[in-house]
Amino acid sequence: GQQVMQIPQYQHVQEGEDFTTYCNSSTTLSNIQWYKQRPGGHPVFLIQLVKSGEVKKQKRLTFQFGEAKKNSSLHITATQTTDVGTYFCAGARSYNTDKLIFGTGTRLQVFP
Amino acid sequence: GAVVSQHPSRVICKSGTSVKIECRSLDFQATTMFWYRQFPKQSLMLMATSNEGSKATYEQGVEKDKFLINHASLTLSTLTVTSAHPEDSSFYICSARLGDDNYYGYTFGSGTRLTVV
Repeated sequence: GQQVMQIPQYQHVQEGEDFTTYCNSSTTLSNIQWYKQRPGGHPVFLIQLVKSGEVKKQKRLTFQFGEAKKNSSLHITATQTTDVGTYFCAGARSYNTDKLIFGTGTRLQVFP
Repeated sequence: GAVVSQHPSRVICKSGTSVKIECRSLDFQATTMFWYRQFPKQSLMLMATSNEGSKATYEQGVEKDKFLINHASLTLSTLTVTSAHPEDSSFYICSARLGDDNYYGYTFGSGTRLTVV
């Protein structure tokens, strides 16, 4: 079946350092979404990427969708303690599919 | 924005009993809702897709007789864990999406932490 892997599994950084998580799918995706889950909380939608090679920015967060639409990345510039949480990518095989498969997640810890 | 309400947030039950978890879309209609299960420090595993007015679609390996799903209205889906056992202890989360495509992403309920003793 479809698998979506993320690396690293866990990363801790000093506040102010940059952070990147990579997402790789075993199959081509129609679109990819990113979610953030704070400790003890539920996933919160961050963004969706649809086009091959697409890059989107949200303040200090930069999201990329690979040319082959099988991988994606999330980069955070100058991390803050509020960035702590687990970041999940989630892929869908078609734009209108009802099925979203979540990646394995990257847990980010930021030390002040 | 879209809000999904999930109850209860936490439940402890005895082995062999059944537990019902409710998921409501508060300000939009959701013909489709999704149920996920999450073990500590792990990813979300899709259990089933709940379809209003029809049978749920279960993922491979998920026992439909164990995890009963009912989607009786456009705003309510329920998951019943029947004859619960300690291995069913987990974090269960429902989600729905606003609209017919993935543009706005999925909105998640706050989750239900089930502990079976």
